[in-house]
Amino acid sequence: NAGVTQTPKFRVLKTGQSMTLLCAQDMNHEYMYWYRQDPGMGLRLIHYSVGEGTTAKGEVPDGYNVSRLKKQNFLLGLESAAPSQTSVYFCASRDAGGAKNIQYFGAGTRLSVL
Amino acid sequence: GENVEQHPSTLSVQEGDSAVIKCTYSDSASNYFPWYKQELGKRPQLIIDIRSNVGEKKDQRIAVTLNKTAKHFSLHITETQPEDSAVYFCAASMGMDTGRRALTFGSGTRLQVQP
Repeated sequence: NAGVTQTPKFRVLKTGQSMTLLCAQDMNHEYMYWYRQDPGMGLRLIHYSVGEGTTAKGEVPDGYNVSRLKKQNFLLGLESAAPSQTSVYFCASRDAGGAKNIQYFGAGTRLSVL
Repeated sequence: GENVEQHPSTLSVQEGDSAVIKCTYSDSASNYFPWYKQELGKRPQLIIDIRSNVGEKKDQRIAVTLNKTAKHFSLHITETQPEDSAVYFCAASMGMDTGRRALTFGSGTRLQVQP
């Protein structure tokens, strides 16, 4: 049981390049989230998904797209990377049921855009 | 939307002392308040959480208190140890009533425990 797995762990892009970050969870969770973490700003929600085939915008969605074609995978795409997207990206998942909102995080992807 | 403010941004204590981190939130509908610990280069890990129907919760050296009227909650760490050194994040969310159910995080507190 790996939990939440993110690939890649590190990436360096040039301005204008595109890439996709993959998040995979093996806990059969309905909800999945993408956050970015910048120094002094905590984690901010980019996009989220409440189930297979559904996605929605979070607080800072501009410049990103997402897809949830399979329940276990949540992809985050950068179509044309910008230096402002240099950040650490965390994926998280949670079960749909239960009174708590316990989210399980992946190990993160450190992205630098030059 | 929800806004969570966290103070202080950095906190240095001597080993064995207590540490207190405070957060305030804006949305009175929020009912779930977790605390995450993040060590350098690692993922955030849940250390304790509290729901709005409870005023205090303890787990060994860690406790969380919640004041719903004032919309603030606090993390208390007693008998601090060097391994408690990390960044701590508070968060708030509406647990059951919204489709999004995402967490809104505070900006983090860097805790340093001096041996």
